Amino acid sequence: QQPVQSPQAVILREGEDAVINCSSSKALYSVHWYRQKHGEAPVFLMILLKGGEQKGHDKISASFNEKKQQSSLYLTASQLSYSGTYFCGTEIEGTYKYIFGTGTRLKVLA
Amino acid sequence: DTEVTQTPKHLVMGMTNKKSLKCEQHMGHRAMYWYKQKAKKPPELMFVYSYEKLSINESVPSRFSPECPNSSLLNLHLHALQPEDSALYLCASSPAPDGNYGYTFGSGTRLTVV
Repeated sequence: QQPVQSPQAVILREGEDAVINCSSSKALYSVHWYRQKHGEAPVFLMILLKGGEQKGHDKISASFNEKKQQSSLYLTASQLSYSGTYFCGTEIEGTYKYIFGTGTRLKVLA
Repeated sequence: DTEVTQTPKHLVMGMTNKKSLKCEQHMGHRAMYWYKQKAKKPPELMFVYSYEKLSINESVPSRFSPECPNSSLLNLHLHALQPEDSALYLCASSPAPDGNYGYTFGSGTRLTVV
């Protein structure tokens, strides 16, 4: 039931764009996105609740496909501060159990 | 106050020790969580407290004992741990347990069992 993220790892130069995908074999109730820097707590980025939804702030945005089985996180014109591990997460519907995806390690180089 | 505060930040304990981890939030959140995170892995859910009642125990060994004394405080009591229990323990809170809100995480307690 754990969502699978791709790619597992990505290295970028400053200013490049990246896309991180989060996929599930079953429809997801909702999708949260978090970024965790090494040795720190995960930080909430955004939540998507509806199929077809897109939202974003600054240069980070996300989408949730119509079937609610895939979400993508878009990082535009990456900055050094974007480095970290990105997790998607979802609630197993009706259970209050919140689980994280497999994670994507992103490193931005100067 | 928009933070979740965890203490201590680091803890080293022997396998026969008893210790406690503490988590506090003053955001009025009614759902609180304990997660365990091993290096380079996603956080794994341990316990969920919903409106101060334990609603989920993810088959966690009894050497881990959670407690929610009030709506702002969450403890995790540790006893007779094993070296494989060494990990980062994260506390999180959410306005409600229904997954419609983002979680606020504390900075974690890095636990080493020797």
